[in-house]
Amino acid sequence: QKEVEQDPGPLSVPEGAIVSLNCTYSNSAFQYFMWYRQYSRKGPELLMYTYSSGNKEDGRFTAQVDKSSKYISLFIRDSQPSDSATYLCATPLGGGADGLTFGKGTHLIIQP
Amino acid sequence: DTAVSQTPKYLVTQMGNDKSIKCEQNLGHDTMYWYKQDSKKFLKIMFSYNNKELIINETVPNRFSPKSPDKAHLNLHINSLELGDSAVYFCASSQADRGLFFGSGTQLSVL
Repeated sequence: QKEVEQDPGPLSVPEGAIVSLNCTYSNSAFQYFMWYRQYSRKGPELLMYTYSSGNKEDGRFTAQVDKSSKYISLFIRDSQPSDSATYLCATPLGGGADGLTFGKGTHLIIQP
Repeated sequence: DTAVSQTPKYLVTQMGNDKSIKCEQNLGHDTMYWYKQDSKKFLKIMFSYNNKELIINETVPNRFSPKSPDKAHLNLHINSLELGDSAVYFCASSQADRGLFFGSGTQLSVL
């Protein structure tokens, strides 16, 4: 079983819509989770960092963790064409090692 | 000033050649990584270095060898390149569990 599962999309929504991106993970011991955004031909950039359960909000972005169901979500409000990118969820590598395991990424398209 | 920089940005070469990709970080981070992103955008860890010690080697062929002359640099050497090595290679660095910071990637094309 893969560490992190993520629907690759593509997910296409109209401008202004609320976007919901989701991942499931397998290791219940993970304590923190991250979302990265990757524009075409660029490196991934850290978007949101969430420690343990609960919500974290940053502007139009909200990251949510449900440890009971091993489910992590990223919500984007008032989506803009500039939000069009690939969004990758990430969990710790595990085993005490540094590094992250990434989901396969969801390709998001915001239609003007 | 770029935090994690890697060169070259593009690398086109023939099968069987040996090539290197360089990476430097000016964030003062303790750990550096190499990740490989395939054509389907799947990002997978290859190596990490912490204080000049190799921490992880994720079933990567021994044709790939990371070399770290100091804490701020982690280069990737690839011998006898194969068609399947074509991908985008990302260097990254981190400090504790604060997330990874990535370079802009090296697009490797093996012909």
